[in-house]
Amino acid sequence: AQSVTQLDSQVPVFEEAPVELRCNYSSSVSVYLFWYVQYPNQGLQLLLKYLSGSTLVKGINGFEAEFNKSQTSFHLRKPSVHISDTAEYFCAVSNTDKLIFGTGTRLQVFP
Amino acid sequence: DAGVIQSPRHEVTEMGQEVTLRCKPISGHDYLFWYRQTMMRGLELLIYFNNNVPIDDSGMPEDRFSAKMPNASFSTLKIQPSEPRDSAVYFCASSPGTGYTEAFFGQGTRLTVV
Repeated sequence: AQSVTQLDSQVPVFEEAPVELRCNYSSSVSVYLFWYVQYPNQGLQLLLKYLSGSTLVKGINGFEAEFNKSQTSFHLRKPSVHISDTAEYFCAVSNTDKLIFGTGTRLQVFP
Repeated sequence: DAGVIQSPRHEVTEMGQEVTLRCKPISGHDYLFWYRQTMMRGLELLIYFNNNVPIDDSGMPEDRFSAKMPNASFSTLKIQPSEPRDSAVYFCASSPGTGYTEAFFGQGTRLTVV
């Protein structure tokens, strides 16, 4: 069975500072990995995904994530955050039909 | 395409009443998912369909919950009877494929059972 662990429930950060949101997964087979973002009162939308190939994946809004198979991690990073990045971020894993989400990390960006 | 459309956006009902949530997936998408989001449990997959057929309903919490997909453009999630602990945001999502493909989410239905 697959599972996803997001180690931080909340991450406060000042505007223009770098940020890393951590994600670890568990699976006995190869997986596909995703990061989704949820703005207040909205559904989720895809930030980026890792399917295969280069372990560094670039997404929308300046976000990127690195797949590390040995550490079973897929951490999300942004070198300089904006106020508008304040949202809930979800890591997800899939290897079949199901998309399984972590519990989410609330990113709060302060001016 | 307008995206995944859910209705209603908000629903307030009394305990014991029947609640029906509706979803229109993106045209051409073969997969439809129902998720429930709560503070305590995060995003839980309740059930998903492939070509209108339920594939996995292991996430449905109890027999009070049921879901149908009578055709490719419509799905319902029904709770009867509803209970206060069912209060949550329910999301519908659709996808053109499996595994490596993106799921597109609706804006959700916020259900409050009083």
